[in-house]
Amino acid sequence: AQSVTQLDSHVSVSEGTPVLLRCNYSSSYSPSLFWYVQHPNKGLQLLLKYTSAATLVKGINGFEAEFKKSETSFHLTKPSAHMSDAAEYFCVVSEEDGNKLVFGAGTILRVKS
Amino acid sequence: DAGVIQSPRHEVTEMGQEVTLRCKPISGHDYLFWYRQTMMRGLELLIYFNNNVPIDDSGMPEDRFSAKMPNASFSTLKIQPSEPRDSAVYFCASSRAGAGGYNEQFFGPGTRLTVL
Repeated sequence: AQSVTQLDSHVSVSEGTPVLLRCNYSSSYSPSLFWYVQHPNKGLQLLLKYTSAATLVKGINGFEAEFKKSETSFHLTKPSAHMSDAAEYFCVVSEEDGNKLVFGAGTILRVKS
Repeated sequence: DAGVIQSPRHEVTEMGQEVTLRCKPISGHDYLFWYRQTMMRGLELLIYFNNNVPIDDSGMPEDRFSAKMPNASFSTLKIQPSEPRDSAVYFCASSRAGAGGYNEQFFGPGTRLTVL
């Protein structure tokens, strides 16, 4: 079965500094990986996805993630944090059928002014 | 498009009562998913439908939970009888089948259920 581990439950950064949210995955096949964001009392929104094309994936709002097969990692980064980035972020892997999603536990990002 | 619509947004009920959550997927989408989010267990897939047919209900916690999709534009998740441990946020999501395997899921705003 597929699984993801988000290595930090909470991350705190200052506005304007880089963001790094860490994710490791486990998969028995070449996985599809995603990052979703959830703002307070809102639904989930897709930030970016990796589906076996380019290993460096660019998403919305300046976020990007790099798929590293040798490290089984898919870390999310952003060069400069903005106050509006404060939210919970989920690393997600899809099952082989492409429909069932397996969510990580989430990382809450706090951005300090 | 209005996106995935869920109702009600908040539901407070007493233990033993029947609860019905509703979802309208995005028009043209042929997959519909029900998820539950709790602090203890995170986000879990309960069941998903393809073309109104349940494909995988292995995530449904027990017989008290049931889901239906009578047509392409409407689905319900019912809990009968409800228990305090059912308190959670329930999300509905929909997607459209496409080439390449993964189909992006679009999530609704969720229904926050509190069972007293």
